[in-house]
Amino acid sequence: DVKVTQSSRYLVKRTGEKVFLECVQDMDHENMFWYRQDPGLGLRLIYFSYDVKMKEKGDIPEGYSVSREKKERFSLILESASTNQTSMYLCASSLVGTGGEAFFGQGTRLTVV
Amino acid sequence: AQKITQTQPGMFVQEKEAVTLDCTYDTSDQSYGLFWYKQPSSGEMIFLIYQGSYDEQNATEGRYSLNFQKARKSANLVISASQLGDSAMYFCAMREARGAGGTSYGKLTFGQGTILTVHP
Repeated sequence: DVKVTQSSRYLVKRTGEKVFLECVQDMDHENMFWYRQDPGLGLRLIYFSYDVKMKEKGDIPEGYSVSREKKERFSLILESASTNQTSMYLCASSLVGTGGEAFFGQGTRLTVV
Repeated sequence: AQKITQTQPGMFVQEKEAVTLDCTYDTSDQSYGLFWYKQPSSGEMIFLIYQGSYDEQNATEGRYSLNFQKARKSANLVISASQLGDSAMYFCAMREARGAGGTSYGKLTFGQGTILTVHP
Protein backbone atom coordinates (compact mmCIF):
# COMPACT_ATOMS: atom_id res chain seq x y z
CA ASP A 1 0.00 0.00 0.00
CA VAL A 2 1.54 3.28 -1.13
CA LYS A 3 2.08 5.87 1.52
CA VAL A 4 2.81 9.51 2.03
CA THR A 5 3.12 10.32 5.71
CA GLN A 6 3.13 13.76 7.27
CA SER A 7 4.68 13.97 10.71
CA SER A 8 1.80 15.75 12.45
CA ARG A 9 -1.95 15.96 11.93
CA TYR A 10 -2.38 19.05 14.09
CA LEU A 11 0.22 21.61 15.16
CA VAL A 12 -0.02 24.79 17.21
CA LYS A 13 2.94 27.18 17.14
CA ARG A 14 3.69 30.68 18.39
CA THR A 15 4.37 33.67 16.17
CA GLY A 16 8.07 33.91 15.35
CA GLU A 17 8.84 30.25 15.94
CA LYS A 18 10.71 28.20 13.36
CA VAL A 19 8.43 25.40 12.24
CA PHE A 20 9.32 22.16 10.48
CA LEU A 21 6.73 20.10 8.62
CA GLU A 22 8.02 16.69 7.58
CA CYS A 23 6.83 14.45 4.78
CA VAL A 24 8.02 10.94 3.97
CA GLN A 25 7.04 8.74 1.01
CA ASP A 26 7.80 5.08 0.47
CA MET A 27 7.21 4.87 -3.30
CA ASP A 28 10.66 5.92 -4.55
CA HIS A 29 9.07 8.95 -6.25
CA GLU A 30 11.25 11.64 -7.76
CA ASN A 31 8.74 14.46 -7.34
CA MET A 32 7.52 15.81 -4.03
CA PHE A 33 5.24 18.79 -3.44
CA TRP A 34 4.09 21.06 -0.63
CA TYR A 35 0.73 22.84 -0.88
CA ARG A 36 -1.36 24.93 1.41
CA GLN A 37 -5.14 24.73 1.26
CA ASP A 38 -7.35 27.64 2.23
CA PRO A 39 -11.11 27.99 1.70
CA GLY A 40 -11.94 29.50 -1.68
CA LEU A 41 -8.32 29.40 -2.82
CA GLY A 42 -7.91 25.70 -3.52
CA LEU A 43 -4.50 24.10 -3.26
CA ARG A 44 -1.65 26.51 -3.83
CA LEU A 45 1.81 25.20 -4.58
CA ILE A 46 4.49 26.42 -2.19
CA TYR A 47 7.52 24.45 -3.40
CA PHE A 48 8.23 21.29 -5.23
CA SER A 49 11.26 19.09 -5.68
CA TYR A 50 12.06 16.92 -8.69
CA ASP A 51 15.17 15.25 -7.28
CA VAL A 52 17.32 15.15 -4.19
CA LYS A 53 18.58 18.65 -3.37
CA MET A 54 16.63 20.04 -6.37
CA LYS A 55 13.73 22.40 -5.75
CA GLU A 56 11.62 24.93 -7.53
CA LYS A 57 9.46 27.70 -6.16
CA GLY A 58 5.75 27.36 -6.56
CA ASP A 59 3.19 30.14 -6.58
CA ILE A 60 3.51 31.25 -2.93
CA PRO A 61 7.06 30.56 -1.66
CA GLU A 62 7.41 33.70 0.45
CA GLY A 63 8.01 32.91 4.10
CA TYR A 64 8.81 29.26 3.38
CA SER A 65 11.85 27.18 2.54
CA VAL A 66 12.31 23.48 1.85
CA SER A 67 14.89 20.78 2.26
CA ARG A 68 15.31 17.49 0.43
CA GLU A 69 18.44 15.69 1.54
CA LYS A 70 17.07 12.20 0.89
CA LYS A 71 14.75 11.03 -1.85
CA GLU A 72 12.03 9.88 0.50
CA ARG A 73 11.86 12.98 2.70
CA PHE A 74 10.74 16.52 1.92
CA SER A 75 10.62 19.13 4.65
CA LEU A 76 8.79 22.44 4.66
CA ILE A 77 10.26 25.12 6.91
CA LEU A 78 8.53 28.22 8.16
CA GLU A 79 11.48 30.41 9.10
CA SER A 80 9.48 32.70 11.38
CA ALA A 81 5.86 31.63 11.67
CA SER A 82 3.18 34.26 11.30
CA THR A 83 -0.56 34.14 11.87
CA ASN A 84 -1.24 34.36 8.12
CA GLN A 85 0.48 31.00 7.74
CA THR A 86 -2.32 29.32 9.69
CA SER A 87 -3.60 26.80 7.16
CA MET A 88 -3.89 23.17 6.09
CA TYR A 89 -0.63 21.93 4.58
CA LEU A 90 -0.62 19.00 2.19
CA CYS A 91 2.36 17.03 0.97
CA ALA A 92 2.28 14.91 -2.19
CA SER A 93 4.61 12.76 -4.23
CA SER A 94 4.64 11.39 -7.76
CA LEU A 95 6.79 9.90 -10.45
CA VAL A 96 8.47 12.42 -12.71
CA GLY A 97 6.60 13.37 -15.88
CA THR A 98 3.16 14.60 -16.83
CA GLY A 99 1.22 11.36 -16.57
CA GLY A 100 1.62 10.08 -13.06
CA GLU A 101 -0.99 10.75 -10.43
CA ALA A 102 0.14 12.38 -7.22
CA PHE A 103 -0.35 10.66 -3.87
CA PHE A 104 -1.17 12.81 -0.88
CA GLY A 105 -0.48 12.74 2.82
CA GLN A 106 -3.22 13.20 5.37
CA GLY A 107 -2.47 16.90 5.82
CA THR A 108 -1.21 19.00 8.73
CA ARG A 109 -3.51 21.61 10.24
CA LEU A 110 -1.14 24.33 11.45
CA THR A 111 -2.36 27.08 13.74
CA VAL A 112 -0.03 29.98 14.50
CA VAL A 113 -1.04 31.98 17.58
CA ALA B 1 -1.98 34.27 -14.10
CA GLN B 2 -4.17 31.43 -12.94
CA LYS B 3 -3.14 28.20 -14.61
CA ILE B 4 -6.25 26.25 -13.67
CA THR B 5 -9.64 27.92 -13.35
CA GLN B 6 -12.74 26.40 -11.83
CA THR B 7 -15.51 28.96 -12.09
CA GLN B 8 -18.16 27.12 -10.07
CA PRO B 9 -17.61 27.56 -6.32
CA GLY B 10 -20.60 25.32 -5.63
CA MET B 11 -22.85 22.98 -7.56
CA PHE B 12 -26.03 21.12 -6.63
CA VAL B 13 -27.40 17.99 -8.28
CA GLN B 14 -30.24 15.59 -7.64
CA GLU B 15 -29.36 12.02 -6.83
CA LYS B 16 -29.15 9.81 -9.96
CA GLU B 17 -28.74 12.77 -12.28
CA ALA B 18 -25.58 13.73 -14.17
CA VAL B 19 -23.50 16.80 -13.37
CA THR B 20 -20.66 18.61 -15.14
CA LEU B 21 -17.91 20.40 -13.25
CA ASP B 22 -16.03 22.97 -15.31
CA CYS B 23 -12.29 23.38 -15.63
CA THR B 24 -10.21 25.52 -17.98
CA TYR B 25 -6.43 25.61 -18.08
CA ASP B 26 -3.62 27.67 -19.49
CA THR B 27 -0.29 26.33 -20.70
CA SER B 28 2.13 26.81 -23.56
CA ASP B 29 3.43 23.26 -23.24
CA GLN B 30 2.47 20.67 -25.85
CA SER B 31 2.84 17.83 -23.37
CA TYR B 32 0.78 18.02 -20.20
CA GLY B 33 -1.58 15.99 -18.09
CA LEU B 34 -4.96 16.87 -16.62
CA PHE B 35 -6.34 15.34 -13.44
CA TRP B 36 -9.40 15.43 -11.27
CA TYR B 37 -9.30 14.77 -7.54
CA LYS B 38 -12.08 14.38 -5.00
CA GLN B 39 -11.74 15.61 -1.43
CA PRO B 40 -14.54 14.43 0.91
CA SER B 41 -15.10 16.04 4.29
CA SER B 42 -12.54 13.65 5.78
CA GLY B 43 -9.86 15.63 3.93
CA GLU B 44 -8.16 12.86 1.98
CA MET B 45 -7.34 13.50 -1.68
CA ILE B 46 -8.71 10.82 -3.99
CA PHE B 47 -7.50 10.57 -7.59
CA LEU B 48 -10.42 10.16 -10.01
CA ILE B 49 -9.33 10.44 -13.62
CA TYR B 50 -6.45 11.44 -15.91
CA GLN B 51 -6.26 12.81 -19.46
CA GLY B 52 -3.03 13.22 -21.40
CA SER B 53 -2.68 16.10 -23.83
CA TYR B 54 -2.02 13.70 -26.71
CA ASP B 55 -4.90 11.37 -25.90
CA GLU B 56 -7.51 11.53 -28.65
CA GLN B 57 -10.24 9.79 -26.72
CA ASN B 58 -11.90 11.29 -23.66
CA ALA B 59 -10.89 9.46 -20.49
CA THR B 60 -13.50 7.44 -18.61
CA GLU B 61 -13.39 5.72 -15.22
CA GLY B 62 -16.64 4.14 -14.18
CA ARG B 63 -19.16 6.94 -13.59
CA TYR B 64 -16.52 9.60 -14.26
CA SER B 65 -15.64 10.93 -17.68
CA LEU B 66 -13.47 13.82 -18.73
CA ASN B 67 -14.75 16.03 -21.54
CA PHE B 68 -11.46 17.15 -23.07
CA GLN B 69 -11.61 20.02 -25.56
CA LYS B 70 -8.02 20.84 -26.36
CA ALA B 71 -8.61 23.85 -28.61
CA ARG B 72 -10.76 25.47 -25.92
CA LYS B 73 -8.36 24.36 -23.17
CA SER B 74 -11.11 22.84 -21.13
CA ALA B 75 -11.23 19.58 -19.18
CA ASN B 76 -14.67 19.25 -17.63
CA LEU B 77 -15.53 16.38 -15.31
CA VAL B 78 -18.83 14.62 -15.92
CA ILE B 79 -20.28 12.49 -13.12
CA SER B 80 -23.14 10.30 -14.26
CA ALA B 81 -25.84 8.87 -11.98
CA SER B 82 -24.83 10.98 -8.96
CA GLN B 83 -24.81 9.34 -5.55
CA LEU B 84 -25.02 10.88 -2.09
CA GLY B 85 -21.42 9.83 -1.52
CA ASP B 86 -20.33 12.07 -4.40
CA SER B 87 -20.88 15.12 -2.18
CA ALA B 88 -17.37 16.53 -1.80
CA MET B 89 -14.89 19.13 -3.01
CA TYR B 90 -13.58 18.47 -6.51
CA PHE B 91 -10.26 19.78 -7.80
CA CYS B 92 -8.99 20.02 -11.35
CA ALA B 93 -5.20 19.89 -11.73
CA MET B 94 -2.55 20.08 -14.44
CA ARG B 95 0.93 18.69 -14.71
CA GLU B 96 3.32 20.49 -17.03
CA ALA B 97 6.56 19.07 -18.30
CA ARG B 98 8.39 22.31 -17.75
CA GLY B 99 7.95 25.13 -15.29
CA ALA B 100 8.68 28.79 -15.78
CA GLY B 101 12.44 28.29 -15.48
CA GLY B 102 12.50 25.42 -17.94
CA THR B 103 14.14 23.08 -15.45
CA SER B 104 11.21 21.48 -13.69
CA TYR B 105 9.53 18.31 -14.73
CA GLY B 106 6.05 17.40 -13.63
CA LYS B 107 4.97 20.53 -11.77
CA LEU B 108 1.42 20.02 -10.52
CA THR B 109 -0.96 22.93 -10.03
CA PHE B 110 -4.59 22.93 -8.86
CA GLY B 111 -7.68 25.01 -9.34
CA GLN B 112 -9.78 26.61 -6.62
CA GLY B 113 -12.14 23.67 -6.35
CA THR B 114 -15.90 23.14 -6.70
CA ILE B 115 -18.06 21.94 -3.80
CA LEU B 116 -20.61 19.43 -5.10
CA THR B 117 -23.71 18.71 -3.07
CA VAL B 118 -25.92 15.79 -4.06
CA HIS B 119 -29.54 16.03 -2.88
CA PRO B 120 -31.65 12.91 -2.27
